[in-house]
Amino acid sequence: DAGVIQSPRHEVTEMGQEVTLRCKPISGHNSLFWYRQTMMRGLELLIYFNNNVPIDDSGMPEDRFSAKMPNASFSTLKIQPSEPRDSAVYFCASSFATGAGYNEQFFGPGTRLTVL
Amino acid sequence: AQKVTQAQTEISVVEKEDVTLDCVYETRDTTYYLFWYKQPPSGELVFLIRRNSFDEQNEISGRYSWNFQKSTSSFNFTITASQVVDSAVYFCALSIYNQGGKLIFGQGTELSVKP
Repeated sequence: DAGVIQSPRHEVTEMGQEVTLRCKPISGHNSLFWYRQTMMRGLELLIYFNNNVPIDDSGMPEDRFSAKMPNASFSTLKIQPSEPRDSAVYFCASSFATGAGYNEQFFGPGTRLTVL
Repeated sequence: AQKVTQAQTEISVVEKEDVTLDCVYETRDTTYYLFWYKQPPSGELVFLIRRNSFDEQNEISGRYSWNFQKSTSSFNFTITASQVVDSAVYFCALSIYNQGGKLIFGQGTELSVKP
């Protein structure tokens, strides 16, 4: 069975450019999460969706960040314009959740973003 | 507010030693879930275990065991007879009931097992 798929695996871009990260969750999962990992802040939740609806985007750092989930099998995280401080590893995770929060999340391999 | 603390930033052991990774959590909620994830050098996050707040039984899976104690708000992870392949960063995480499943992670403990 395919796990969570993320693309690209690596992205190097210049400050000011638009960056789009993509995620395909595990088939049948109804919750999708975007996390960011940095040395300074560790792993932090940016936003999560349940049944394609954004539920909590309080972790999105600022308006430069946006996320969409147009259908159950695809999500994007966009940064426009990108800044060097956005450099991090971005993880997508999915789970089958009823809202109770007890199911484990399965993580994708991550996208390593470098903004020069 | 909820919080997870992994006080050990780095641990180094020699192969075959036992090692315990500490995790202390904070929450006022009575129903919650605790998790451990492993992040090997390749970078992916691998799920290891989930416990709910009403189940304090210890769990053993091969060389791995977990000790959950609500009285001390701790969920410690022990690797018995460590191996080089256990070298990784280990994260403890907390999820609160009815908050959609979002994980609150600790800062992680980097375990290095030397041959």
